[in-house]
Amino acid sequence: DGGITQSPKYLFRKEGQNVTLSCEQNLNHDAMYWYRQDPGQGLRLIYYSQIVNDFQKGDIAEGYSVSREKKESFPLTVTSAQKNPTAFYLCASTNIGYGNTIYFGEGSWLTVV
Amino acid sequence: KQEVTQIPAALSVPEGENLVLNCSFTDSAIYNLQWFRQDPGKGLTSLLLIQSSQREQTSGRLNASLDKSSGRSTLYIAASQPGDSATYLCAVVMINTGTASKLTFGTGTRLQVTL
Repeated sequence: DGGITQSPKYLFRKEGQNVTLSCEQNLNHDAMYWYRQDPGQGLRLIYYSQIVNDFQKGDIAEGYSVSREKKESFPLTVTSAQKNPTAFYLCASTNIGYGNTIYFGEGSWLTVV
Repeated sequence: KQEVTQIPAALSVPEGENLVLNCSFTDSAIYNLQWFRQDPGKGLTSLLLIQSSQREQTSGRLNASLDKSSGRSTLYIAASQPGDSATYLCAVVMINTGTASKLTFGTGTRLQVTL
């Protein structure tokens, strides 16, 4: 089945560690997005990409990094520079244009211990 | 900069009521507007997508309308059920001739349908 797979679903990070969240899609979508959601809050855009080897910072990119080496993959690294990384992370993909649906993964919970 | 606002932030209704959720946006240069549902701790599930040239879309008990000129969309839920309890979000896809197009989300309306 086509869709977006995020892994892991739950992740614990120690202070000072970098962790990488995986996002893979088999929908042949050009555009991919990472959002952060804090409890009871809306979605905030971290990074987005519309083409392989190109990506742009969103509204809260500090402390995060991404790569887009393959069309189907858009991993997010939460670095030690991110001071408050505990949150729910969501990956989305779509093809930009009229009538194209946005799809989301199931999300990854990151907790700092 | 595109701003998307959803009103009300929270809503509680008794089962069986019809209800309307509102979404407004500031920049009408959009490809589409999409409504989502989010259950606690889960990802977003797409409900309805309206292209900028369309006025409304329907799926079962849901009807979404779009007035691009005024920057407004509504999601109408008929005969609400307890299973409709969730957070509802709207998102717009901007037309951008430069780099990648942003998806801009509202902050959501948290709906509770009581027995």
